[in-house]
Amino acid sequence: KAGVTQTPRYLIKTRGQQVTLSCSPISGHRSVSWYQQTPGQGLQFLFEYFSETQRNKGNFPGRFSGRQFSNSRSEMNVSTLELGDSALYLCASSLGYGTGLNYGYTFGSGTRLTVV
Amino acid sequence: QKEVEQNSGPLSVPEGAIASLNCTYSDRGSQSFFWYRQYSGKSPELIMSIYSNGDKEDGRFTAQLNKASQYVSLLIRDSQPSDSATYLCAVNPPDGQNFVFGPGTRLSVLP
Repeated sequence: KAGVTQTPRYLIKTRGQQVTLSCSPISGHRSVSWYQQTPGQGLQFLFEYFSETQRNKGNFPGRFSGRQFSNSRSEMNVSTLELGDSALYLCASSLGYGTGLNYGYTFGSGTRLTVV
Repeated sequence: QKEVEQNSGPLSVPEGAIASLNCTYSDRGSQSFFWYRQYSGKSPELIMSIYSNGDKEDGRFTAQLNKASQYVSLLIRDSQPSDSATYLCAVNPPDGQNFVFGPGTRLSVLP
């Protein structure tokens, strides 16, 4: 059974550019969540999607957006990149939303974004 | 504001000892609790889940939950150098909101 696939693994962008990250969840998982991880802030929740609908959103500026497709694959986009956006971006999939979270997350390998 | 707190460490234990990792949470209605292990440069990996008060054992790992005290712990028996990692506590609030992660405790098992 394939795990959670995130692409690309590494990315270097310049300030002001935009970036799109992709996540394919485990087959059958309909919930996809995105997290930003930095050494100083730990795991910070970005947003969660279930059945193509954004269910929850963290406290990030509007430059961070996402979407989910009918096959449960998800993308997140960051526009007008800032140096502080340099981080490991993790995607996590789960069987469901709400009580489905009792199963816990399975994380992808992450995309390490460096903004220069 | 939902919060999950952990000692950041590092927690250093000798090989073969018991490592004890602690986590407290603020949302009294939380029902599901998870421990993740994250090796340096890798993504978090789920190692234990616990839903009821008491202990849950899985190999060398034991999770303990006390909802009255809003406290979750992870014990690692016979600690090995390969257990050296950051351990993240995650709590699932009762209102269907996303997981809340603690900052993690860095464990170092010394040979």
